[in-house]
Amino acid sequence: NAGVMQNPRHLVRRRGQEARLRCSPVKGHSHVYWYRQLPEEGLKFMVYLQKENIIDESGMPKERFSAEFPKEGPSILRIQQVVRGDSAAYFCASSLFGGYTFGSGTRLTVV
Amino acid sequence: AQSVTQPDIHITVSEGASLELRCNYSYGATPYLFWYVQSPGQGLQLLLKYFSGDTLVQGIKGFEAEFKRSQSSFNLRKPSVHWSDAAEYFCAVGSGEAAGNKLTFGGGTRVLVKP
Repeated sequence: NAGVMQNPRHLVRRRGQEARLRCSPVKGHSHVYWYRQLPEEGLKFMVYLQKENIIDESGMPKERFSAEFPKEGPSILRIQQVVRGDSAAYFCASSLFGGYTFGSGTRLTVV
Repeated sequence: AQSVTQPDIHITVSEGASLELRCNYSYGATPYLFWYVQSPGQGLQLLLKYFSGDTLVQGIKGFEAEFKRSQSSFNLRKPSVHWSDAAEYFCAVGSGEAAGNKLTFGGGTRVLVKP
């Protein structure tokens, strides 16, 4: 029973490029959450999704960031036109009725 | 708005000594409290959680935490630290265990264990 799988583990992008982060939840989990951890800080909530629906995106920056959780396939966090300040670790978590399981994260570096 | 404060950014402790990590929260309703550990380059592992009942909660790896409503605290303790406990520890508060419960994390406490 695999846990939450995130890929890639490390991603390097030049300023202005797009970053796509993937998250495959625990099998059977229908709720996905994305959190961002800036250097030397705690995790900050970004977005909560159920299959095909964004439920709460109160933590998402208004521009350049988007997330989806399609009926089939992993959840995707997409960052367009990345800037240096987007460099962070991005964690995905999933749940069914409750009780988070976190992935190991994707570490994005913008150069 | 809910918030979590971990006053100690870094703590150094000798192996075998006791450890206490502080966590203070602000929350308008009954808090659901969590402690997570993060080893370098890794994801978060749940150590323990408190929802209700006995205010002293036992977790994995020999950790325990005590909920004190009057002090809005949920401090984490371990009687005897092992070198493998060197990691970063995060306290978090949420609105419940149901799906959709988003967590608010503290800034973390980095623990260094001296031989």
